[in-house]
Amino acid sequence: GAGVSQTPSNKVTEKGKYVELRCDPISGHTALYWYRQSLGQGPEFLIYFQGTGAADDSGLPNDRFFAVRPEGSVSTLKIQRTERGDSAVYLCASSRDQTDEQYFGPGTRLTVT
Amino acid sequence: SQELEQSPQSLIVQEGKNLTINCTSSKTLYGLYWYKQKYGEGLIFLMMLQKGGEEKSHEKITAKLDEKKQQSSLHITASQPSHAGIYLCGADMWGNKLVFGAGTILRVKS
Repeated sequence: GAGVSQTPSNKVTEKGKYVELRCDPISGHTALYWYRQSLGQGPEFLIYFQGTGAADDSGLPNDRFFAVRPEGSVSTLKIQRTERGDSAVYLCASSRDQTDEQYFGPGTRLTVT
Repeated sequence: SQELEQSPQSLIVQEGKNLTINCTSSKTLYGLYWYKQKYGEGLIFLMMLQKGGEEKSHEKITAKLDEKKQQSSLHITASQPSHAGIYLCGADMWGNKLVFGAGTILRVKS
């Protein structure tokens, strides 16, 4: 079956603008995760959804970052008033449940100019 | 701050040679995951280890978790150019979210 997909693959935006990043998890996976990866580093956890609810958002860096998963499938990561430091690859992962291995999407490369 | 240390940071091996990548944690691991990443792409799941002393193999890749569950190694036998990439270990330390090491860049010379 299809894997995790993310759109767009690349996004260039100006400082101060609003962006939305989309994640389509593997069908039937109840758990969904967002990570952020900077160059030369491993991914850093942002937020975890179990179903429609955010079970753990402790990794979100500040209140400019917000994520939703209204129907328990597709998720959107929203960043307000983007800053140059937000530039990174944003990775989405899903798993059957919270104890299973996580499968990652190809990521969205965000560049804030 | 990183709670997982990977070594080496990078290595270059001749095709056909064996190699080992290490991942060390200062805390007991509830689960240890190995992923491979190609530049500009997502992470490909390789293996998950949960029990002390556990060892798993897939094709030419073997991963082990020590008895104390604080160190894991990834061993590749008879390396091939297709093994090139970034290898990441991820630890399930708090139940659901993974903490990753900085990665090991592997290059395989033909």
